[in-house]
Amino acid sequence: KTQVEQSPQSLVVRQGENCVLQCNYSVTPDNHLRWFKQDTGKGLVSLTVLVHENDKTSNGRYSATLDKDAKHSTLHITATLLDDTATYICVVGDRGSALGRLHFGAGTQLIVIP
Amino acid sequence: DMKVTQMPRYLIKRMGENVLLECGQDMSHETMYWYRQDPGLGLQLIYISYDVDSNSEGDIPKGYRVSRKKREHFSLILDSAKTNQTSVYFCASSLPGRSAETLYFGSGTRLTVL
Repeated sequence: KTQVEQSPQSLVVRQGENCVLQCNYSVTPDNHLRWFKQDTGKGLVSLTVLVHENDKTSNGRYSATLDKDAKHSTLHITATLLDDTATYICVVGDRGSALGRLHFGAGTQLIVIP
Repeated sequence: DMKVTQMPRYLIKRMGENVLLECGQDMSHETMYWYRQDPGLGLQLIYISYDVDSNSEGDIPKGYRVSRKKREHFSLILDSAKTNQTSVYFCASSLPGRSAETLYFGSGTRLTVL
């Protein structure tokens, strides 16, 4: 059973609009959560990582929140650009030890149109 | 320069042929991973390596084997490739127990098995 669910599966927005991507998970324990951006045909590039209960992070136009009680994270993209077109992947790490595993969502495909 | 390098980027093989995918990292990370990515699915862990000659099966190891003879180099081998092994393969590395801060991905190898 998938332990990391992302929604929506795909999203189309106009350049300049804001958007919100959701990540719900059932991974236990949940040591940290990371958002990646994956351009078509490319590797995963880390946007931000959240570690603590109610963490909030900001990285330019990207901001993220984590609610460990609800096992839920959001990624906000402000004033979208055409270059934001990509798949955004949520990853949950289950422990901070060498034996920790990473649990990947299937991603949200974001398309930004002019 | 923190980098994970995968070779080749694209590979086409016939069913039954042997396949070698190479991965290198320049960060002296002990932990390295091989994942595959298929449409609609999250990345799936094939093998994890904790250091030289210290490898463990991931979630989908069948049909694959790995080799780690140097810390900076991790190979994925498919003996007698099958058509269902057509996929995009990603290598990653991190410091042990610190994937929250230190996780890096390569750009991927797109393998097609005919």
